[in-house]
Amino acid sequence: RKEVEQDPGPFNVPEGATVAFNCTYSNSASQSFFWYRQDCRKEPKLLMSVYSSGNEDGRFTAQLNRASQYISLLIRDSKLSDSATYLCVVNGRGTDSWGKLQFGAGTQVVVTP
Amino acid sequence: ETGVTQTPRHLVMGMTNKKSLKCEQHLGHNAMYWYKQSAKKPLELMFVYSLEERVENNSVPSRFSPECPNSSHLFLHLHTLQPEDSALYLCASSQTWGGLDTGELFFGEGSRLTVL
Repeated sequence: RKEVEQDPGPFNVPEGATVAFNCTYSNSASQSFFWYRQDCRKEPKLLMSVYSSGNEDGRFTAQLNRASQYISLLIRDSKLSDSATYLCVVNGRGTDSWGKLQFGAGTQVVVTP
Repeated sequence: ETGVTQTPRHLVMGMTNKKSLKCEQHLGHNAMYWYKQSAKKPLELMFVYSLEERVENNSVPSRFSPECPNSSHLFLHLHTLQPEDSALYLCASSQTWGGLDTGELFFGEGSRLTVL
């Protein structure tokens, strides 16, 4: 089983619509969770951290569900510039992965006019 | 302008060649990383250096050889590579290694390697 799994997409979203997608992780001892964004042919950049209580950053909302071991990202009022691949990242806290960031393969979002 | 710069951006090499990838960070960070990114696959951690000491070698074949002469520079020396080594190689840095509670890695734009 992969440590971090994501639906690869693509999620085709009309401009102005809302899109949401999840990421599941296998290590129940994981403590920290993040979403990175990677534009086409560019490097990944931190989008936001994911806190236990859920958090918002403008049009972006991240949620954590520890019981079911998944995190989610919701984008409201999608803009064309939101088109990117969104990488789920988990910071392992087990004996094999302490301090290691585990990356998912990414979910592609395409916002259309 | 990125705080982490990588050269070259593109590299084509034969299986018998020797080449090197270079990374420089201007952020004053103490940890530097090499990642491999293949299409549709998660980033694979290759090597980690903390304060110029290698702290992680993720079962990478010996045809990849890292070098960290100081906390700002990181190299990846390549020799006798295979076609399946073709990928985007990303360098990254972070303030520290070990905790990473902020989860923030700063990536360079990557070196796209093609092995013929």
